[in-house]
Amino acid sequence: DAGITQSPRHKVTETGTPVTLRCHQTENHRYMYWYRQDPGHGLRLIHYSYGVKDTDKGEVSDGYSVSRSKTEDFLLTLESATSSQTSVYFCASTSGRAGADTQYFGPGTRLTVL
Amino acid sequence: DQQVKQNSPSLSVQEGRISILNCDYTNSMFDYFLWYKKYPAEGPTFLISISSIKDKNEDGRFTVFLNKSAKHLSLHIVPSQPGDSAVYFCAGGWNNNDMRFGAGTRLTVKP
Repeated sequence: DAGITQSPRHKVTETGTPVTLRCHQTENHRYMYWYRQDPGHGLRLIHYSYGVKDTDKGEVSDGYSVSRSKTEDFLLTLESATSSQTSVYFCASTSGRAGADTQYFGPGTRLTVL
Repeated sequence: DQQVKQNSPSLSVQEGRISILNCDYTNSMFDYFLWYKKYPAEGPTFLISISSIKDKNEDGRFTVFLNKSAKHLSLHIVPSQPGDSAVYFCAGGWNNNDMRFGAGTRLTVKP
């Protein structure tokens, strides 16, 4: 299994506050992803990165920003959290050798915005 | 716009019997399909995949079938074991950066 960790694992915050979630991988994978999981929707891609400082938007990117200053770290920031961003957030990574390569997921971060 | 749908939120099966999990998709351009398994409080883990040029892929107790004309795929688990109890997600896409996931099916295998 790829070594992917997420921090924090749980967070409760208030509407309007900034929140940053961290993803750390030790596999030297080029590609990293942030997803959110909500009931009835499965996993939806927020943003992804295809290299250091190279990022792009996913399906549900509004209200989120990301940064990747090192291969191993991918940060997800909610500039001003809203209740609709209450969700479970998963980070994933892959070497991206070809096509749809297996993605290795972190354990998730449960975020509650009050 | 859910391009991948898992219409059964849950499935209960007796140990030793076959589990069949179904998935439908709408985008005929998808090249790859994957199944992930998820236990509570953990991230999804890869189970099995199939490319659009095949109609079947087998890995031990797990077999995925792809019917492109029907835009349907299914995951067969034979024989089912209690440790298979988890949420199963199917996903389809043409590259890692645009995979679309279904909402998941919770499988319960009863001893």
